[in-house]
Amino acid sequence: GENVEQHPSTLSVQEGDSAVIKCTYSDSASNYFPWYKQELGKRPQLIIDIRSNVGEKKDQRIAVTLNKTAKHFSLHITETQPEDSAVYFCAARAYSSASKIIFGSGTRLSIRP
Amino acid sequence: DTGVSQDPRHKITKRGQNVTFRCDPISEHNRLYWYRQTLGQGPEFLTYFQNEAQLEKSRLLSDRFSAERPKGSFSTLEIQRTEQGDSAMYLCASSSFFERSGYNEQFFGPGTRLTVL
Repeated sequence: GENVEQHPSTLSVQEGDSAVIKCTYSDSASNYFPWYKQELGKRPQLIIDIRSNVGEKKDQRIAVTLNKTAKHFSLHITETQPEDSAVYFCAARAYSSASKIIFGSGTRLSIRP
Repeated sequence: DTGVSQDPRHKITKRGQNVTFRCDPISEHNRLYWYRQTLGQGPEFLTYFQNEAQLEKSRLLSDRFSAERPKGSFSTLEIQRTEQGDSAMYLCASSSFFERSGYNEQFFGPGTRLTVL
């Protein structure tokens, strides 16, 4: 079945440095890739998404890249700040279902002061 | 907060009891989803509705689980004869979907944390 793998599971970076989280997906027909941020005890919130017709999207300090051929996509956070500390989930929409989203297992990002 | 709401936020029950959770989506959203999230994992899809119709159910959803959305607004998720393995956070999400605009962002509720003793 559809699967999304996410790496690393934990990531610690110095404040001001960049963080990169990588994901791969199995369903080649997936066409929508959202990224969610979940702070401790709170609900997941969408931070950025990308559709399969583009290769890169940027929103201030956050960018996402997509390589459809290799079936992988990445989240890049530049100039990290303490409030970036959270668990980040990548996800892919399975083409077999118009709405079902398959989530990765998450990356716990910690920003060191 | 005028987003998705869920009730209760926490539920502790004994094994074998039945529990019911409620989700109130964003009012103009026609799609409603249920997910389950265990510690250290991403949300796992359980089921979703478009208006009052339940369009898809995950194989994770055993026959002890049932979900309804009778009037196309709020939804309930019932777990019968709870087991310790049912302990998890149950998340609800909603989105709007119209053929012209296509798929739209899913907004999550705060979740109901279930603990089965």
